[in-house]
Amino acid sequence: GAVVSQHPSRVICKSGTSVKIECRSLDFQATTMFWYRQFPKQSLMLMATSNEGSKATYEQGVEKDKFLINHASLTLSTLTVTSAHPEDSSFYICSARDEFDSSYEQYFGPGTRLTVT
Amino acid sequence: AQSVAQPEDQVNVAEGNPLTVKCTYSVSGNPYLFWYVQYPNRGLQFLLKYITGDNLVKGSYGFEAEFNKSQTSFHLKKPSALVSDSALYFCAAPTPGTYKYIFGTGTRLKVLA
Repeated sequence: GAVVSQHPSRVICKSGTSVKIECRSLDFQATTMFWYRQFPKQSLMLMATSNEGSKATYEQGVEKDKFLINHASLTLSTLTVTSAHPEDSSFYICSARDEFDSSYEQYFGPGTRLTVT
Repeated sequence: AQSVAQPEDQVNVAEGNPLTVKCTYSVSGNPYLFWYVQYPNRGLQFLLKYITGDNLVKGSYGFEAEFNKSQTSFHLKKPSALVSDSALYFCAAPTPGTYKYIFGTGTRLKVLA
């Protein structure tokens, strides 16, 4: 089946620094990837849709200058949390669409736990 | 507005008993519907999907779901629960015209030994 990886799985950073999270589709091409944020015991909140070769589309209320998304290839999207603060601590999950799959299925990465101290 | 609802925050069931996790939807047109499971500190794992055709969909790990158009429901079921089924379950549907998912709020399933 289609596999999506995320790196790192866990990261701890100091307040004010930036951290980059990678999302890769390992065995398929993904023109569209999604970035979600999940708070403890809550559902997933869509942050943005990442489109290969073009600008990401951010959901209402998500700061695009704080959460920089780059989708430079058909298999890689990155989320950079800039000038991180403790309130950015969360579980970040990416997903990807196989461009040849018409079923709308998304394949999810294992998630990245970000802790900002 | 399009929506997916999971009316139960938590479902408890004894091991060996049948389980049901409920999902209702309000999506225009013919919906595509998905069930995913999430274990602690992990991403979402695909269980099954309804696209079209047979209303009873069989999926991974012995799970199945029944699409009911008249009741706008897509309940997840398993005939005999395992302790290892304890996890967080999400129902989801793509927003018509986009690939973005609408997620339910999630149901925590606890299977008691």
